[in-house]
Amino acid sequence: AQTVTQSQPEMSVQEAETVTLSCTYDTSESDYYLFWYKQPPSRQMILVIRQEAYKQQNATENRFSVNFQKAAKSFSLKISDSQLGDAAMYFCAYRQPTGTASKLTFGTGTRLQVTL
Amino acid sequence: NAGVTQTPKFRVLKTGQSMTLLCAQDMNHEYMYWYRQDPGMGLRLIHYSVGEGTTAKGEVPDGYNVSRLKKQNFLLGLESAAPSQTSVYFCASRQSSGANVLTFGAGSRLTVL
Repeated sequence: AQTVTQSQPEMSVQEAETVTLSCTYDTSESDYYLFWYKQPPSRQMILVIRQEAYKQQNATENRFSVNFQKAAKSFSLKISDSQLGDAAMYFCAYRQPTGTASKLTFGTGTRLQVTL
Repeated sequence: NAGVTQTPKFRVLKTGQSMTLLCAQDMNHEYMYWYRQDPGMGLRLIHYSVGEGTTAKGEVPDGYNVSRLKKQNFLLGLESAAPSQTSVYFCASRQSSGANVLTFGAGSRLTVL
């Protein structure tokens, strides 16, 4: 079974600074998808960024980018120019592209604090 | 707005009571999922459905039942609620192919006393 590990329960960053959230995963598959979701206090799950494993280029979305290291099975999220609105729980998730329902497996989350 | 709607948003139950959480999506998605979220444990899959009339067990199915009689609805039932089922429940849906991402509902907070 696939597992997703987020080893940082909490992180803190100053406004305008850069922070990196770590995620590692375990799989025997060669093709899959990886995601970062944000959960603010409103509880809504919001997709931040996604990465297809067959793409070597790291995904970017404005201030958010990933460092995808397939051989190391590592998928970290970098947030640049941090803003107060970035404060939230961040979940890393893994999904196979095929198979029964291609279920999403989540990590345990990292709570990000943004300070002035 | 199109999306996933969960009802109710909050509920308090006594041990042994039963209830049903309703998830409705208007995006014609084939796949639907029920997750529970507990502190320090992320989201764990309870049950899922790949289409109308089909359901399957996820990672933590015990104590729950589901039904998908209509494509747009996915019901999660607790026949005899237990305090261990106190949690926040999320429904999600997505298309069956490609990299289509999950669309989540806003969550339902359930407390079992």
